Amino acid sequence: GQSLEQPSEVTAVEGAIVQINCTYQTSGFYGLSWYQQHDGGAPTFLSYNALDGLEETGRFSSFLSRSDSYGYLLLQELQMKDSASYFCAVAGNTPLVFGKGTRLSVIA
Amino acid sequence: DAGVIQSPRHEVTEMGQEVTLRCKPISGHDYLFWYRQTMMRGLELLIYFNNNVPIDDSGMPEDRFSAKMPNASFSTLKIQPSEPRDSAVYFCASTPDSRSSYNEQFFGPGTRLTVL
Repeated sequence: GQSLEQPSEVTAVEGAIVQINCTYQTSGFYGLSWYQQHDGGAPTFLSYNALDGLEETGRFSSFLSRSDSYGYLLLQELQMKDSASYFCAVAGNTPLVFGKGTRLSVIA
Repeated sequence: DAGVIQSPRHEVTEMGQEVTLRCKPISGHDYLFWYRQTMMRGLELLIYFNNNVPIDDSGMPEDRFSAKMPNASFSTLKIQPSEPRDSAVYFCASTPDSRSSYNEQFFGPGTRLTVL
């Protein structure tokens, strides 16, 4: 089977940097994805890592270590609009299995 | 371009009633996924289709749930009879190909179902 662990809540100050960690267990592994979901909205894709290392997309970066079954999402220059839930999702024997999500609150 | 379309956006029904949720995937997308999201269980994959054919329905909770995809532009998820524990947000997602299924899926706005 597949399982993912990520913190349930994180709070950070506007303008700061925050890192959301994700560890996973899976039989078969293609890659690790990250999704953002605002309250009342739908999950939207942020990034994908298939290989070890860092992927950068604007203020957001995502990292993967396959040997450690670990990844993280890094959000820089936090803005109030970044307050949302962030999900890691692993692709293995089934297309995507999602973690329970990390609720990020950005405070002034 | 239109994204994934779901209807209704909200549904309130009474226990024992039949509920039908609808989804129109993005045109040209070959894969369609149905998810259920609750606070307790998070976002769970219920079933997915490739070219209108169900590929994996192991996430369907029980026989009360059924899903169909009669053509490339329409899918339904039916619950009969509905129970209060079915209350959740149901999302439909689509992707253009197999590779995208494993990273970037496009989600619809969801249907919030409340069973009284």
